[in-house]
Amino acid sequence: QQQVKQSPQSLIVQKGGIPIINCAYENTAFDYFPWYQQFPGKGPALLIAIRPDVSEKKEGRFTISFNKSAKQFSLHIMDSQPGDSATYFCAASKDSSYKLIFGSGTRLLVRP
Amino acid sequence: DVKVTQSSRYLVKRTGEKVFLECVQDMDHENMFWYRQDPGLGLRLIYFSYDVKMKEKGDIPEGYSVSREKKERFSLILESASTNQTSMYLCASQPAGLSYNEQFFGPGTRLTVL
Repeated sequence: QQQVKQSPQSLIVQKGGIPIINCAYENTAFDYFPWYQQFPGKGPALLIAIRPDVSEKKEGRFTISFNKSAKQFSLHIMDSQPGDSATYFCAASKDSSYKLIFGSGTRLLVRP
Repeated sequence: DVKVTQSSRYLVKRTGEKVFLECVQDMDHENMFWYRQDPGLGLRLIYFSYDVKMKEKGDIPEGYSVSREKKERFSLILESASTNQTSMYLCASQPAGLSYNEQFFGPGTRLTVL
């Protein structure tokens, strides 16, 4: 049973556009929601993360929006660049567990 | 800089072979993980180790075993490789403590079983 559902599977935007990737979770005990970024030939790397006590977190051009009542969170990339082309994974975990539950991934292509 | 290295980037094996995938981290992390990555399925946890000689099954442990004899090294073993184990295998390490701690991933081993 997939506990974190991610959409879309793939996304193409023009440079400067604002791609949005959405994730929904089922387990209300989750209290940590990271996003990992993976470039071709590399392992995933932590991009940004949020706890449910805030509704938004920004780091540079990357923003997580969090809706606790809807059990959804999303990643927005402002002024997207071709160098942002990568696969993005959302994930969720709870403090009492070491496990990260990953979404299925979104392959983003930013055209020049 | 945390460095997680995996012994091979690409590996081709035959059905029934015993396969060893090695992972080494240089940051003295207590926790180490093995995942497999398949298109449309994301990353799925195979095994987790929180200390030397300690291990826990993840979500898909069937057909795999692990070994952690030294803190820096975590090995994934396919006892008898099958074609459905063709996949990308990712190792990660993480400091002990809160699950909020970042997981640091290696570059992956793409395994093909013929």
